[in-house]
Amino acid sequence: QVQLQESGPGLVEASETLSLTCTASGHSISSGYYWGWIRQPPGMGLEWIGSIYQNGVVQYHPSLRGRATISVDRSKDQLSLNLYSVTGADTAVYYCAGPGASYFDFWGQGILVTVSS
Amino acid sequence: EVVMTQSPLSLSVTLGQPASISCRSSQGLVYSDGNMYLIWLHQRPGQSPRRLIYRVFNRDSGVPDRFSGSGSGTDFTLRISRVEAEDVGVYYCMQGTHWPPTFGQGTKVEIK
Repeated sequence: QVQLQESGPGLVEASETLSLTCTASGHSISSGYYWGWIRQPPGMGLEWIGSIYQNGVVQYHPSLRGRATISVDRSKDQLSLNLYSVTGADTAVYYCAGPGASYFDFWGQGILVTVSS
Repeated sequence: EVVMTQSPLSLSVTLGQPASISCRSSQGLVYSDGNMYLIWLHQRPGQSPRRLIYRVFNRDSGVPDRFSGSGSGTDFTLRISRVEAEDVGVYYCMQGTHWPPTFGQGTKVEIK
């Protein structure tokens, strides 16, 4: 059983950078085939932010217009998300999910990030 | 991007009765490897989503067999043969065949 845990600040100032990490137990982040970040604004549905493949290929949602960076720190075995120049529209619960090839077999508990203005 | 349209958006079901949720994609979901990357997720109130079904009809480990997935092309269905109290929450379909991955709006299931 894979357990995922997101961590990071719950409050970020507008125009600043949102930085989150995801750690796993029961599976190595570095050996996972496909990891993703998904977010859910309060009371709304799910939105894919981006994903990273085991081979290092990263894809992002086009709506983010280059504001996101996803990476794997192999030395710490952590998945990370940086979202730059945040606004109130980025307020959401952020989830990491993975690691299988058939998409998002396991999900973290999520972390609420509020952008303050 | 591929639009995933779920119906109904809300469902009130009597305990022990069946329930069915439809998910329609704006494009066919067959990938070049022959698989259809369509998953179903269940999100209980206050919890994170849990995957129930992957590649249209494969049940995840620990998922009760009252849940089943079916479909092909652009039309997919999640069925619950006999709804139990723990099945309340929101159900989402998601496609991963076409970039970017996209989710349906969600179907809220409650007990009548």
